[in-house]
Amino acid sequence: GNSVTQMEGPVTLSEEAFLTINCTYTATGYPSLFWYVQYPGEGLQLLLKATKADDKGSNKGFEATYRKETTSFHLEKGSVQVSDSAVYFCALREMDSSYKLIFGSGTRLLVRP
Amino acid sequence: SQTIHQWPATLVQPVGSPLSLECTVEGTSNPNLYWYRQAAGRGLQLLFYSVGIGQISSEVPQNLSASRPQDRQFILSSKKLLLSDSGFYLCACDHLYNEQFFGPGTRLTVL
Repeated sequence: GNSVTQMEGPVTLSEEAFLTINCTYTATGYPSLFWYVQYPGEGLQLLLKATKADDKGSNKGFEATYRKETTSFHLEKGSVQVSDSAVYFCALREMDSSYKLIFGSGTRLLVRP
Repeated sequence: SQTIHQWPATLVQPVGSPLSLECTVEGTSNPNLYWYRQAAGRGLQLLFYSVGIGQISSEVPQNLSASRPQDRQFILSSKKLLLSDSGFYLCACDHLYNEQFFGPGTRLTVL
């Protein structure tokens, strides 16, 4: 079945450090891929998305490229801020009859000043 | 753009009591609606989804149920809560299978 695997956290970085959160997926077709962010005590917000191979999603300095050959969608940011501290979820949506979102387990990011 | 309302924001209930969580959506019509549960420090588990009024699909067998009495209203219920029902419940919607938008969530503690 379809699945999403994320690196385990927490990831702890100093402010202005480079961030990578790994995400790989298993899917039978050609899914759309998403990154969601959850700040403490809140719901999830869509951070970025990519709908086909080699697409790059970007938002708020975060980027992720849809790599079909490696089935990956790693999240990157060149310089993190304390305000980026949150839980990040990678997700896929298979464009078949189910259309359900499959989430990874989430990666907690802690950014220290 | 759509806005999702959930209430209550927090809830503390004794084991064996009933539950009703409500989700309403503004700014879109004919949305797909979803209930997720997030246990402490863990990912999201899809509980139910609905593609229309009265149409409910259950993902995980459990003592919870869902109903959709109106196009933009989605209700999560239980007749008797268990300790394991504690968690953060999130309602989400999408339209025509574009990206999902999430509500602010309800934190449920069962004692």
